[in-house]
Amino acid sequence: EDKVVQSPLSLVVHEGDTVTLNCSYEVTNFRSLLWYKQEKKAPTFLFMLTSSGIEKKSGRLSSILDKKELFSILNITATQTGDSAVYLCSIRGSGGSNYKLTFGKGTLLTVNP
Amino acid sequence: NAGVTQTPKFQVLKTGQSMTLQCAQDMNHNSMYWYRQDPGMGLRLIYYSASEGTTDKGEVPNGYNVSRLNKREFSLRLESAAPSQTSVYFCASSLGLAGDYEQYFGPGTRLTVT
Repeated sequence: EDKVVQSPLSLVVHEGDTVTLNCSYEVTNFRSLLWYKQEKKAPTFLFMLTSSGIEKKSGRLSSILDKKELFSILNITATQTGDSAVYLCSIRGSGGSNYKLTFGKGTLLTVNP
Repeated sequence: NAGVTQTPKFQVLKTGQSMTLQCAQDMNHNSMYWYRQDPGMGLRLIYYSASEGTTDKGEVPNGYNVSRLNKREFSLRLESAAPSQTSVYFCASSLGLAGDYEQYFGPGTRLTVT
């Protein structure tokens, strides 16, 4: 069964700190890993990592995928209070004919001024 | 361009009542999804529709039914609500299956079953 484990479950930092969020996974036939940010309401897409795209960057956020060790990290540099959110990691495998997209429980990041 | 819209935003039901959650997207996406989100459980897929005319079970389909009414609309029905169905429900859509494409989420429906 596909599995996604995120750590830590919660994290409190001060503005300006750099944070690293972790996502480890077990999946049948890895296809992609996606990161989402969830503030008060709906999750919003951050990155998709695949075998052909193992590193992504957007502004202060970056993510890498290690397919050998089965994990991904999301880095946020120079954190701001607006980065406070739950960060979700999801994995898509391609085992058999069944579509499967599995989410982790998320990491709650709180950035204090 | 409203993206993904859901109605209602909040709902309180008594055990045994039925209701339908509505979802619509205006992005011409082929795939649509229903998730539930419970504290400490992350997002769990209830049902999905890979394309107009098809629906399939996700991880937690029991107690729910869905209808892909047309390309834009995907509804979720609770036939006989139970307290275990108290949750926040999200609808999402994507151009193709999520994992090949990013998903866009609606604002959610907070459902309480007493």
